[in-house]
Amino acid sequence: GESVGLHLPTLSVQEGDNSIINCAYSNSASDYFIWYKQESGKGPQFIIDIRSNMDKRQGQRVTVLLNKTVKHLSLQIAATQPGDSAVYFCAENIGEYGNKLVFGAGTILRVKS
Amino acid sequence: DTEVTQTPKHLVMGMTNKKSLKCEQHMGHRAMYWYKQKAKKPPELMFVYSYEKLSINESVPSRFSPECPNSSLLNLHLHALQPEDSALYLCASSQGLSSRDTEAFFGQGTRLTVV
Repeated sequence: GESVGLHLPTLSVQEGDNSIINCAYSNSASDYFIWYKQESGKGPQFIIDIRSNMDKRQGQRVTVLLNKTVKHLSLQIAATQPGDSAVYFCAENIGEYGNKLVFGAGTILRVKS
Repeated sequence: DTEVTQTPKHLVMGMTNKKSLKCEQHMGHRAMYWYKQKAKKPPELMFVYSYEKLSINESVPSRFSPECPNSSLLNLHLHALQPEDSALYLCASSQGLSSRDTEAFFGQGTRLTVV
C-alpha cells in the first residue's frame, strides 16, 4: 500500500553542524506533509509543515524541502544543538475526506557535544 | 491553550480487566484521533472522530472501543487486552476535517502495559 519511509534510521552530528533528515513518500496525491519531533517518553511535537504547492518552507533554524518530482521530503536543522536529539518523523496526510496522518519509520538524531 | 491532555500517564492492567484512557483538548478542535505506538516504531492510526462521529476505524480489534462524549473529550475503552497490546497510546486533535492541511497536536500518551 501507500507508505511514507525514511532513508536513514540514525543520524549522528556534531553540535553546531547542520543536520539533514530525509523522507520518501509514495502517495503522489498527498498534498500536505508534516515533520514531528519525538523525545523519549513524550508525544510527537509539531516542527514544521509544507503544502504541495510549495517546495520550500523555513522556520526557526529548520527548513523543509519538498521535491514532488521524486516524491522526497527533507528536514534541515541549522546549528544543531543537544536539545535537538530526538526521533524525527515525517508524516503525510493521505485522507481522502480529511486528516489521516501516516507516519514514516523515523530517524534518530544524536547530537554529539 | 495548545495542549492535549491524556490520563493516566501510565497504566498496568490484567487481561481480564476493563479500563479507559482519557483525552481532553480545549482548542476548539473538531477532529480527534487515537494512535498506537510500539517501541522504536512510528505511531499507527487507530481511530478518527470528526464532529463527535467516528469517521475512520483502521480495522482495530473490538477489544478497543472509542467514545467521543463531546467535542473536547475522547475516550478509549479497553477490555480483554492481550500482552501484545502493550504500547504507548497517543491522542491527537486537529482543527477539523473541512481543511486537510492542518497539523495534529499530540498528547504525551498513556504508557499501557498488559500483564
